[in-house]
Amino acid sequence: GESVGLHLPTLSVQEGDNSIINCAYSNSASDYFIWYKQESGKGPQFIIDIRSNMDKRQGQRVTVLLNKTVKHLSLQIAATQPGDSAVYFCAEAPTSGTYKYIFGTGTRLKVLA
Amino acid sequence: GAGVSQSPSNKVTEKGKDVELRCDPISGHTALYWYRQSLGQGLEFLIYFQGNSAPDKSGLPSDRFSAERTGGSVSTLTIQRTQQEDSAVYLCASSLFSTMNTEAFFGQGTRLTVV
Repeated sequence: GESVGLHLPTLSVQEGDNSIINCAYSNSASDYFIWYKQESGKGPQFIIDIRSNMDKRQGQRVTVLLNKTVKHLSLQIAATQPGDSAVYFCAEAPTSGTYKYIFGTGTRLKVLA
Repeated sequence: GAGVSQSPSNKVTEKGKDVELRCDPISGHTALYWYRQSLGQGLEFLIYFQGNSAPDKSGLPSDRFSAERTGGSVSTLTIQRTQQEDSAVYLCASSLFSTMNTEAFFGQGTRLTVV
């Protein structure tokens, strides 16, 4: 069953293609950012994080880019697979030591076979 | 357990009744968070506990909501006199506390339905 909304922005990607999911954050003082993946009926799962002293960080098949000038965060998924289908959230932590993560509304990624 | 555990996974209650939602954080994690996720919405911050410090309750939507954390581990979120608008998935997360922010690990959530 659905654990998140039916009216989220949706990105449809062909299997094997690269996906780019974007997020605009609100607070220029935020210095820590996380991407989470949420599959239906499950809690959010950590994917990758980045601190404000970095512009780019790579993980396994995922890359996060941070543009502090325009307060923009993106998640790139290489060679998208059906198992990548989920809702993706970005989260920001306003200042070091303040652990009140602020989440965006999420983007639904649909991988087409 | 290896991860954050929440119970019950589903709860259906009648309007006006009180409910208690439980969260068992990851062992050793001193920071604990409650979030609410309504249909079509992102995650809404409710409350944050860190060690013996006073909790950050700034996200609680009304005085019908309260939370406790006993012994620095298990937490209970209580909603009194439930209303239909309280229907949502309630998510608990925990993280290691350090001088730098670290990722929070989430439980599977409790889906609350108020009828």
